Amino acid sequence: TQLLEQSPQFLSIQEGENLTVYCNSSSVFSSLQWYRQEPGEGPVLLVTVVTGGEVKKLKRLTFQFGDARKDSSLHITAAQPGDTGLYLCAGGSNYKLTFGKGTLLTVNP
Amino acid sequence: EPEVTQTPSHQVTQMGQEVILRCVPISNHLYFYWYRQILGQKVEFLVSFYNNEISEKSEIFDDQFSVERPDGSNFTLKIRSTKLEDSAMYFCASSGGTEIYGYTFGSGTRLTVV
Repeated sequence: TQLLEQSPQFLSIQEGENLTVYCNSSSVFSSLQWYRQEPGEGPVLLVTVVTGGEVKKLKRLTFQFGDARKDSSLHITAAQPGDTGLYLCAGGSNYKLTFGKGTLLTVNP
Repeated sequence: EPEVTQTPSHQVTQMGQEVILRCVPISNHLYFYWYRQILGQKVEFLVSFYNNEISEKSEIFDDQFSVERPDGSNFTLKIRSTKLEDSAMYFCASSGGTEIYGYTFGSGTRLTVV
């Protein structure tokens, strides 16, 4: 069974601070996807990383896929209240995604 | 921006009844999926569908569940005899390719079995 562990589970920070959340697994995935989910809504794709060591930037968000394709991180620079939400990582293999439980981020003004 | 549409947004059903959850995937996508999320828990894979057949299914997707693409636009999930533990948010998703492509999820159907 493939599992993805996300840490921390909860994170509360002040506006302007930087943060990093992590996604770790003992399994190798074809891809690692990051989503953001609002309460009562479906996950919204932020990025897909495919190559080991790959780094992608999306404005203030930086995503990294580990060299062994088992882990990933999401770094947010100068967090804003609008970044508040549940961040999910999902590993892709064999026509399916395995989701982590997510990191619930709160950015206080 | 293309989106995945799910109907209904909420459904309440009696235990033992059949329910059909409907989805309209993005028109040029080839891969279709159902996931569910029990309240407070993580998103779980149910089934993937490609070229008019199931590609992969989870242990949750037993013989009480079925999927169908009855026409060129709709993708449905049927639960034949609902149980209390089927209460969850059900998400449909589609993608243009395999899991190295990002998925587009719908807003979900909240199913409550009473």
